[in-house]
Amino acid sequence: DQQVKQNSPSLSVQEGRISILNCDYTNSMFDYFLWYKKYPAEGPTFLISISSIKDKNEDGRFTVFLNKSAKHLSLHIVPSQPGDSAVYFCAASHFGNEKLTFGTGTRLTIIP
Amino acid sequence: ETGVTQSPTHLIKTRGQQVTLRCSSQSGHNTVSWYQQALGQGPQFIFQYYREEENGRGNFPPRFSGLQFPNYSSELNVNALELDDSALYLCASSLPQGQGTYGYTFGSGTRLTVV
Repeated sequence: DQQVKQNSPSLSVQEGRISILNCDYTNSMFDYFLWYKKYPAEGPTFLISISSIKDKNEDGRFTVFLNKSAKHLSLHIVPSQPGDSAVYFCAASHFGNEKLTFGTGTRLTIIP
Repeated sequence: ETGVTQSPTHLIKTRGQQVTLRCSSQSGHNTVSWYQQALGQGPQFIFQYYREEENGRGNFPPRFSGLQFPNYSSELNVNALELDDSALYLCASSLPQGQGTYGYTFGSGTRLTVV
């Protein structure tokens, strides 16, 4: 039962353009969503998060959008840089439960 | 401020053996969680420890067990290893929800191979 889904295993984007990574979830109890970035041989690194009371959160080049009715969130990276090449994981939780449920990840490659 | 340290980085074990993986939490973090990441998958929650007690468990059998020590470091023990236990095991430390920015700090993981 995959409660958090990232349907695109990979994505290639030209340097300087916008990268859009998508994530869908099925569990209505989820009220907090996070994006993690992972380089090879390293653990996931927290990138940005959003609470279900918001529909948008920005942090520099990174913006996360949440559409609760569609149970969909997306991560926008503008402009994309070569250092952004990594695997990106979407994760979800609900308050009071410390467990994070992760998607399967999207490998982003930024083409110089 | 130190991050999360895991040891060993790589390990090869034989089916049926037992293994212990270790984790040192980030300074100031008193909650430790363990995740299993199989190849091509996202991390799967194993369990979490807070104040030396298990505080939530995922869908893993009892042969996966853990400990948290007074200094907040932690161990993951797996008995009767199976081939499917081959994975990257990630430790993450955090403050309890509501006590700061929610989000884990992950270690680099232990790559376990069962042959």
